[in-house]
Amino acid sequence: DTEVTQTPKHLVMGMTNKKSLKCEQHMGHRAMYWYKQKAKKPPELMFVYSYEKLSINESVPSRFSPECPNSSLLNLHLHALQPEDSALYLCASSQDQTTDTQYFGPGTRLTVL
Amino acid sequence: GESVGLHLPTLSVQEGDNSIINCAYSNSASDYFIWYKQESGKGPQFIIDIRSNMDKRQGQRVTVLLNKTVKHLSLQIAATQPGDSAVYFCAESPVGGGATNKLIFGTGTLLAVQP
Repeated sequence: DTEVTQTPKHLVMGMTNKKSLKCEQHMGHRAMYWYKQKAKKPPELMFVYSYEKLSINESVPSRFSPECPNSSLLNLHLHALQPEDSALYLCASSQDQTTDTQYFGPGTRLTVL
Repeated sequence: GESVGLHLPTLSVQEGDNSIINCAYSNSASDYFIWYKQESGKGPQFIIDIRSNMDKRQGQRVTVLLNKTVKHLSLQIAATQPGDSAVYFCAESPVGGGATNKLIFGTGTLLAVQP
């Protein structure tokens, strides 16, 4: 099983809203990732969690706040987003942060009005 | 800087033909390479990978070739089917030996299979 699940599939929010994206995997992976993907572009890394600790923050604005409650779950809390933040947000996991094969979820399509 | 790029942004093939998608990389220290397939509205799906100590790896209907001399990676799909229509991304991992795995993605190639 190489499944990573993400909810919701679609999200529309205003610039003053607070929302959260959720990601879950049950492969026993200890590294989890958030990526942002704009239309017709490759995924861009945002955050890396390793053993439930934030390992990498790719200079992401503070209006994006990641959280890793346990080894299977990864959240991305959103607050005061801008229309340019509209994108597909992808979650991925790998066995650990030094193991290379990352498996991606289906993504959450976010629209900020 | 380091980059991974593709020669052809769009590739159109006839159903049943073989497809070849190319990718160039610039970091000779890259240790690991992956091909992902991304269908419209979905996340990237792992297809096949290869390490720098290999030059060829085969999967089901797919083959990845690595030419380290010219820093070139290719994905060959045999007997291309309509279900193969998607955007294909190559990605490289420029680190090894315990450092954090940060994938660098290429720009993507759209494969369009004509019936």
